[in-house]
Amino acid sequence: EDQVTQSPEALRLQEGESSSLNCSYTVSGLRGLFWYRQDPGKGPEFLFTLYSAGEEKEKERLKATLTKKESFLHITAPKPEDSATYLCAVEGNFNKFYFGSGTKLNVKP
Amino acid sequence: DAGVIQSPRHEVTEMGQEVTLRCKPISGHNSLFWYRQTMMRGLELLIYFNNNVPIDDSGMPEDRFSAKMPNASFSTLKIQPSEPRDSAVYFCASSLDSGGGQPQHFGDGTRLSIL
Repeated sequence: EDQVTQSPEALRLQEGESSSLNCSYTVSGLRGLFWYRQDPGKGPEFLFTLYSAGEEKEKERLKATLTKKESFLHITAPKPEDSATYLCAVEGNFNKFYFGSGTKLNVKP
Repeated sequence: DAGVIQSPRHEVTEMGQEVTLRCKPISGHNSLFWYRQTMMRGLELLIYFNNNVPIDDSGMPEDRFSAKMPNASFSTLKIQPSEPRDSAVYFCASSLDSGGGQPQHFGDGTRLSIL
């Protein structure tokens, strides 16, 4: 069964405490893996696309990596403004998108 | 550049009423997606269009739901009659193409409450 699983469901960090979010997938025919950030009352905001194992993308304190079965979103020295829900999505065969349930990140000052 | 625009942002109506949600995709994007988000089920794809043609509507929950895309810059999602269990946030997203690993870009959603 094609699915995307994110862990942990929730993560509380102190400001400056680095960590990683996980996205594992069992989707046939990977066309792309996408990371989004969602703030309360807003739509998901696109962050990164990864296409093949070994690929990495960076933006400010965020770095996304991809293997054949999972992706990690590394957050280095997070700040309170990084608090949000981070969603992972995978596009597989027949242009189907599969979204994970998200990781809710709370960064305390 | 203007992103995906949805209206209304909030809708509160009584059970049995017709509800129409509207979406204007990003100019030049040729794929459009309607999603529903709830705490219990997360983001669910309802239907998607490519070049104004519905491609996959397998996520539409029942015949009470219908969607149209009369042109490249406008789409509607209609619920008739509405029920309390339809209460959710409805998102519209667009992308440059429905395949090839192009990201979807989301609007800020319509928060729908059916009383």
